[in-house]
Amino acid sequence: GESVGLHLPTLSVQEGDNSIINCAYSNSASDYFIWYKQESGKGPQFIIDIRSNMDKRQGQRVTVLLNKTVKHLSLQIAATQPGDSAVYFCAETRWGSQGNLIFGKGTKLSVKP
Amino acid sequence: EPEVTQTPSHQVTQMGQEVILRCVPISNHLYFYWYRQILGQKVEFLVSFYNNEISEKSEIFDDQFSVERPDGSNFTLKIRSTKLEDSAMYFCASTTVNYNSPLHFGNGTRLTVT
Repeated sequence: GESVGLHLPTLSVQEGDNSIINCAYSNSASDYFIWYKQESGKGPQFIIDIRSNMDKRQGQRVTVLLNKTVKHLSLQIAATQPGDSAVYFCAETRWGSQGNLIFGKGTKLSVKP
Repeated sequence: EPEVTQTPSHQVTQMGQEVILRCVPISNHLYFYWYRQILGQKVEFLVSFYNNEISEKSEIFDDQFSVERPDGSNFTLKIRSTKLEDSAMYFCASTTVNYNSPLHFGNGTRLTVT
């Protein structure tokens, strides 16, 4: 039979603007969260992580926000560049899970020059 | 920067054949993983491996799958008798510790079963 893939949410932004990508995670027991970037034909690339005892963490041009009350993660990219165009996945895991990451559906970010 | 490397980048095989996907994790990493991604879908956990044994496996990782670390550098995934639905990207990953540590992924092997 025909295989139907997921239709990814798409975010289209102008170069130089800020981007916000959202993710709802599934397990209230999850205590470690990671954002990955996946470019076409490549594996997931680590961007930033956050533990559940924090609600905000900043990296270079990226910020992750964690709201445990509503089980929500967001990734903010400042001054978005064409090289940021990719699919972005959030992933969650919990202590003792032996690295079993649960990935979200992904959001496709398109940056218009 | 050290990388996880995977070979081959693309493998085509006929249904019922055995395939072995190969990975060289980052050299000082101790925990190793296989994930797969069916075209257009989520990345899914298959198996984790530490100290020469499987730590955890998913429902996908049935008796047709096996993993091995035959020497100090390689980490392999074997599918004994491939099915059409095994067609996917297979990603190897590794990390130094298995808790609160990001996994580093290779660029994957695209497996096509015909």
